[in-house]
Parts: sequence; structure tokens; C-alpha cells
Amino acid sequence: DVKVTQSSRYLVKRTGEKVFLECVQDMDHENMFWYRQDPGLGLRLIYFSYDVKMKEKGDIPEGYSVSREKKERFSLILESASTNQTSMYLCASRTLAGDSYEQYFGPGTRLTVT
Amino acid sequence: GDSVTQMEGPVTLSEEAFLTINCTYTATGYPSLFWYVQYPGEGLQLLLKATKADDKGSNKGFEATYRKETTSFHLEKGSVQVSDSAVYFCALRGGSYIPTFGRGTSLIVHP
Repeated sequence: DVKVTQSSRYLVKRTGEKVFLECVQDMDHENMFWYRQDPGLGLRLIYFSYDVKMKEKGDIPEGYSVSREKKERFSLILESASTNQTSMYLCASRTLAGDSYEQYFGPGTRLTVT
Repeated sequence: GDSVTQMEGPVTLSEEAFLTINCTYTATGYPSLFWYVQYPGEGLQLLLKATKADDKGSNKGFEATYRKETTSFHLEKGSVQVSDSAVYFCALRGGSYIPTFGRGTSLIVHP
């Protein structure tokens, strides 16, 4: 069974802290994504990665960076957390094999910045 | 660019009622279309998909037909249950590498 895991379900951090959100997939997928989900705004793409060591900015990359040193792991980094980064963060992965291109999502990390 | 528009919620129904959640899209070429569901406290999971015009995706009693002439992919279920209460997202994968999602529609089903 396919699986995407995220390091924490709930996280509370203080303003100015450096925050690491980890995502691991066990499906050997090429693509990985980080989204944030806020009420009324749906999913917004922060960054995505085509493959190892490759990354592209999404719609709202400001204040975030990412790292993908190994195929199975995609990390989201908040360099200096701010209260407006309080949100639900969702990781997803996808393979390019086949024709459907469906995404597989992790359970999400609810981050609160105080 | 690609876009997905779905009806705003919440949609509130009684158990065993008929459900329709509208989804229309704008895309070049021939996109693949998806419905994802997000149960409370969880991530999104694929509910159903269709990869070409006139295909019907179905799963767990839900259905959606890929209508290229009306650029629509409406989600339907004949008889909803309380356990169907969730947020439903319509999405497409078009020519761009990046999937495009609608804003989500919350469904609340009362006993």
C-alpha cells in the first residue's frame, strides 16, 4: 500500500524560529509537492520537486525553502517562522509512470506559530 | 492558464439525499480530471478520476463523467451517508506539470 508520511501531525513554534517539516514517501515517486491549506483558499502550492535535487517555486514560495537530497524525502523549511505561516501543510507525491498522474497525500501537519 | 471552479459550500444534506457538486474547468488540450476527498483531520485521497472525454470515474457510490463539450466533471452520488461528510476537491492535470485544484466544497450530511 502506498504511503506518504509527515514528521508531525501538530507543531507549535515561536515567531522567528527555524522550522523543518519532513515528508517521506515509500513509492519511489519522482515528483513531490508541498502545499498549504487555509480556509476559503483551498490548496496553494509552495514548492515542488521534479526529482532528486530539483526544485521549482510554486505560487507562494516567499518565506519558505525546500530540500530534496534523497528521492524519498522532501523537506520544507521555514527560515524564520511568522504568525501568518500558521496553517495546515500537506505533502504529496506522484509518479510519472502510467497516464493518470494522480497524487498521493500525507496526513498533514497543522503548524501554529505564536 | 488552467483553472478549476467548483461550487462553494457548505452543502448540507440529509442522509439518503442525492448529491451533486459542480465542477467546471478551463484547460488547453485534453486534461486528466480528478476528484479528491479530505475527511476531517486527514490529508486528501483520490476518490475517482477520468483521463479522456466521456470517461466515467466511479468509486464508493460516487460518479463523475468527463464532459468535454461543457468542460465539466460534476460529482454525483445517489444516496449520501453521514460518513460522506468531508471536503471534496476537483482537480485537473493539463499540459502544465503542476496539478490545478478547485477551492474545495464542504459536504455535511445529517442523520
